[in-house]
Amino acid sequence: DQQVKQNSPSLSVQEGRISILNCDYTNSMFDYFLWYKKYPAEGPTFLISISSIKDKNEDGRFTVFLNKSAKHLSLHIVPSQPGDSAVYFCAARGSNQGGKLIFGQGTELSVKP
Amino acid sequence: SQTIHQWPATLVQPVGSPLSLECTVEGTSNPNLYWYRQAAGRGLQLLFYSVGIGQISSEVPQNLSASRPQDRQFILSSKKLLLSDSGFYLCAWRRPFRGYEQYFGPGTRLTVT
Repeated sequence: DQQVKQNSPSLSVQEGRISILNCDYTNSMFDYFLWYKKYPAEGPTFLISISSIKDKNEDGRFTVFLNKSAKHLSLHIVPSQPGDSAVYFCAARGSNQGGKLIFGQGTELSVKP
Repeated sequence: SQTIHQWPATLVQPVGSPLSLECTVEGTSNPNLYWYRQAAGRGLQLLFYSVGIGQISSEVPQNLSASRPQDRQFILSSKKLLLSDSGFYLCAWRRPFRGYEQYFGPGTRLTVT
């Protein structure tokens, strides 16, 4: 049972445009969400997070939006840069799960010059 | 600052051979520690986590085991590797009681032949 889903395995965007990566979840007990970026053969790097009491969090070019009624979150990258090309994972934490995170399958973003 | 180390970076092992992967964290005390596996084209699967020395929780039944002999050392082991154990193994740490962000090591690429 996939509780965190990233339905788009890949996304291609032109440099300078907006990248929108999507993530859906099924468990209403999730109360904290995170986005990670991963280059090949490296460990994931934490990007940005959001608590379920908020609907938006911004950090530089990265903004995460949370729609709890739709059980949907998205990561916006504006403007996209070629160095943003990587696999992006969303993750969620259940309110009764301590520090454990459940990850989606990842979306591979390609930003073309 | 905190640093997480994993070794070896790559490993090729025959089926039936033993396995020992090591992870150490510097610059923090009493971290929560995690072992994940990423199979080819898949997301991150939590294998084990530990909240303290000698305390191991297993998430997925398998022929792998984990141990935490010291506060900042986490070891993933197997007595006999299977072909299905191939993958990218990641160790991560988290500051307990201070957010849910996990910070990942560089990973170990394991190929079982």
